[in-house]
Amino acid sequence: DGGITQSPKYLFRKEGQNVTLSCEQNLNHDAMYWYRQDPGQGLRLIYYSQIVNDFQKGDIAEGYSVSREKKESFPLTVTSAQKNPTAFYLCASSSKRDTEAFFGQGTRLTVV
Amino acid sequence: GIQVEQSPPDLILQEGANSTLRCNFSDSVNNLQWFHQNPWGQLINLFYIPSGTKQNGRLSATTVATERYSLLYISSSQTTDSGVYFCAVASNTNAGKSTFGDGTTLTVKP
Repeated sequence: DGGITQSPKYLFRKEGQNVTLSCEQNLNHDAMYWYRQDPGQGLRLIYYSQIVNDFQKGDIAEGYSVSREKKESFPLTVTSAQKNPTAFYLCASSSKRDTEAFFGQGTRLTVV
Repeated sequence: GIQVEQSPPDLILQEGANSTLRCNFSDSVNNLQWFHQNPWGQLINLFYIPSGTKQNGRLSATTVATERYSLLYISSSQTTDSGVYFCAVASNTNAGKSTFGDGTTLTVKP
């Protein structure tokens, strides 16, 4: 089955802890993206990567980190520096920059 | 960065009615997509349409890049069309960075 897999679907984190969200794609896409969605709002870009071993900050990168060591994987770490991490996180990929993007099913992160 | 404005913010229709959703953007774009977000949060691709017109069943979309807007048409709406519709664009000057509008929430009543 081709697609984008995000895990876990639900994640609970204690304040002060780092947590890593997984995103894997088997579409052989070069570009991958992470977005954050708050209730009733649109998506905001956190980080994006156009090629392995390279990534750029999006509009709200503070408190987050990423890596792109493999083409198919783009994990997102939500660090303790992120003051309001409770949100819905969506990962996407596209074959090249600015081509059609496809999304995973998302991870709902809650700080308890 | 590029500004994206969607209208109307909310739309309530009776089943069978037609509707038009609009997306205005503030800069030249090389990428424009329409998505439908279902109640479980999944983003479903509707159209990749940086310019021109496309149709897929009851849905069609038109992007007039020179005038910086795109329209999504839904005909003979069904209750399953309910959800949030998003427009996402990437400008020529900021390639790779897609910006989403705030969405249009559509409710189709039986």
